[in-house]
Amino acid sequence: QLRLQESGPGLVKPSETLALTCTVSGGSLSCSNYFCYWGWIRQPPGKGLEWIGSVFYRGNTYYNPSLRSRVTISVDTSKNQLSLKVTSVTAADTAVYYCARLYSSSYHLDLWGQGTLVTVSS
Amino acid sequence: QSALTQPASVSGSPGQSITIACTGTSSDVGDYDFVSWYQHHPGKVPKLMIYGVTNRPSGVSDRFSGSRSGSTASLTISGLQAEDEADYYCTSYTNRGTLVVFGTGTKVTVL
Repeated sequence: QLRLQESGPGLVKPSETLALTCTVSGGSLSCSNYFCYWGWIRQPPGKGLEWIGSVFYRGNTYYNPSLRSRVTISVDTSKNQLSLKVTSVTAADTAVYYCARLYSSSYHLDLWGQGTLVTVSS
Repeated sequence: QSALTQPASVSGSPGQSITIACTGTSSDVGDYDFVSWYQHHPGKVPKLMIYGVTNRPSGVSDRFSGSRSGSTASLTISGLQAEDEADYYCTSYTNRGTLVVFGTGTKVTVL
């Protein structure tokens, strides 16, 4: 059974770079039987879910315009991992970060990681 | 990029039916059959409830149903139960370059 697991530092200092990894286990990140994308979503405390962006397993990326200048999403098919980097973080980037699979048949998020809390604080 | 618009809150008594609206544009909800709905209990992982506007994944109660009229999609919960109290989010494919756009979220309260 396919599983996703986020990992990375739980505390990041302001102005530094937030870096998270999502490891895909029990299956392939390249989705051999169908097309799929892999996405990052976050939820700041007390706020709603926010789409950060997504990556196709071949490397094509799609970003939320509000974050595009600071965000990089990439895949490493040899490690079955996708990654997220957010530069120049502020307290507003404090959130639970989720990785998820975006199934391209109808662009729905059918598998989610457990989420990881990242706090931006000095 | 503008988020899809949802009411901030909807409430109902046990056994009643409620409907949550999700309003978009012709760039997303209005032109594509790719609307999904997610249930999110605090501290838990969001759960897919509806995809492709009207389809229920295996294991999701048939009390949950989806529909669309023009650029507004809707999620109806019939026979409301205490366990349905959660936040609900819609998403849609968008042709504006981000692939997906999220709704603003709706808090459902069971009275």
